[in-house]
Amino acid sequence: GENVEQHPSTLSVQEGDSAVIKCTYSDSASNYFPWYKQELGKRPQLIIDIRSNVGEKKDQRIAVTLNKTAKHFSLHITETQPEDSAVYFCAASMGQTGTASKLTFGTGTRLQVTL
Amino acid sequence: GAGVSQSPRYKVAKRGQDVALRCDPISGHVSLFWYQQALGQGPEFLTYFQNEAQLDKSGLPSDRFFAERPEGSVSTLKIQRTQQEDSAVYLCASSSQPNSYEQYFGPGTRLTVT
Repeated sequence: GENVEQHPSTLSVQEGDSAVIKCTYSDSASNYFPWYKQELGKRPQLIIDIRSNVGEKKDQRIAVTLNKTAKHFSLHITETQPEDSAVYFCAASMGQTGTASKLTFGTGTRLQVTL
Repeated sequence: GAGVSQSPRYKVAKRGQDVALRCDPISGHVSLFWYQQALGQGPEFLTYFQNEAQLDKSGLPSDRFFAERPEGSVSTLKIQRTQQEDSAVYLCASSSQPNSYEQYFGPGTRLTVT
């Protein structure tokens, strides 16, 4: 089955700096890569996703890049703010066309944005 | 509109008791997933429904775990004879069709087995 590794497990940055979280996946058939933000005691919240036919996607301060050859994908947060502090999870799935499929999650990165 | 809801939010069970966890997906969402999240870990897949059909139950850890979605909307995850290792947050997610890969999660049920 699919295996997703995520690094680093913890990340501390100063407000205004950038943060980068990296994931690798094992199954080349995976074609959908979402990122979730989870605050303590709250539900995972989808913040951005990318499909395998795209190399990069950006939404305001958040961007995701995908390297299919290396089976790497990364989350980039620019101009970090204290409210960005949370645990971030990457995930991968092998969706059939137009249909959601089970997600395999990484182990999470705890991001702390300090003032 | 309303998101995915789950009940109860917290459940304490004595070892050996049966529990039932409920998920109300977003209205009209065809796909429904259950995940288990242990403390400090990422969610792990348990089972998947498309409408009322359970298409994948490969993640259920034992035959004590059973899930159903009889009318294609609300789903129930049942755990029989609970054990301490069942303590976790149980998350439900739903997804619409067609042409949608996004899964939206509920707040979860935190199960503590004593």
